Amino acid sequence: EIVLTQSPATLSLSPGERATLSCRASQSVGSYLAWYQQKPGQAPRLLIYDASKRATGIPARFSGSGSGTDFTLTISSLEPEDFAVYYCQQRDNWPPITFGQGTRLEIK
Amino acid sequence: EVQLVESGGGLVQPGGSLRLSCAASGFTFRSYEMNWVRQAPGKGLEWVSYISTRGSTIYYADSVKGRFTISRDNAKNSLYLQMNNLGAEDTALYYCARSEGTFDYWGQGTLVTVSS
Repeated sequence: EIVLTQSPATLSLSPGERATLSCRASQSVGSYLAWYQQKPGQAPRLLIYDASKRATGIPARFSGSGSGTDFTLTISSLEPEDFAVYYCQQRDNWPPITFGQGTRLEIK
Repeated sequence: EVQLVESGGGLVQPGGSLRLSCAASGFTFRSYEMNWVRQAPGKGLEWVSYISTRGSTIYYADSVKGRFTISRDNAKNSLYLQMNNLGAEDTALYYCARSEGTFDYWGQGTLVTVSS
């Protein structure tokens, strides 16, 4: 089973700042990594798939990078609605499909 | 508009059973692989089960293997999860999610609480 480790667990930033979230895989997942955003009381929403491709309707301030075992989600300039929990997920070697434990992005 | 609407959750005693349903609309259901993903209260996401477009390929997480059964009815645009021998560890919000490798659409979830 591929384990995904996200860091940091919590990130405290202010609107307008740049956010950098990390996801590290226990073995290579190629480019088969996705990022999701989840707000309280809502279902997760797909942001990025295949490491760097933005899903439909996702603003350009969200970008993904990386391959192999190290991946990054970057939010270039935080908007108030971006404060949420973010999860990475791999689909390279499955089953099982695995998620990271999440990074909580909170307002500083 | 793609819609996934889960139902069937509720309070059940340990060792009991529940059947979850997911009604799909707004897309050609028979053309998409489907999954169940759950989230325990205050916790992260856990993939539970996968079913291929025709139901010929099925996978389960080890935590539910032998107790849960995923199925689909393409004529009814519906996905199901039969859950048997439920334990406290199965308490969670259960989401159905459409997948093309990644989970591109999710329902709002149905809550399953296992408690005596």
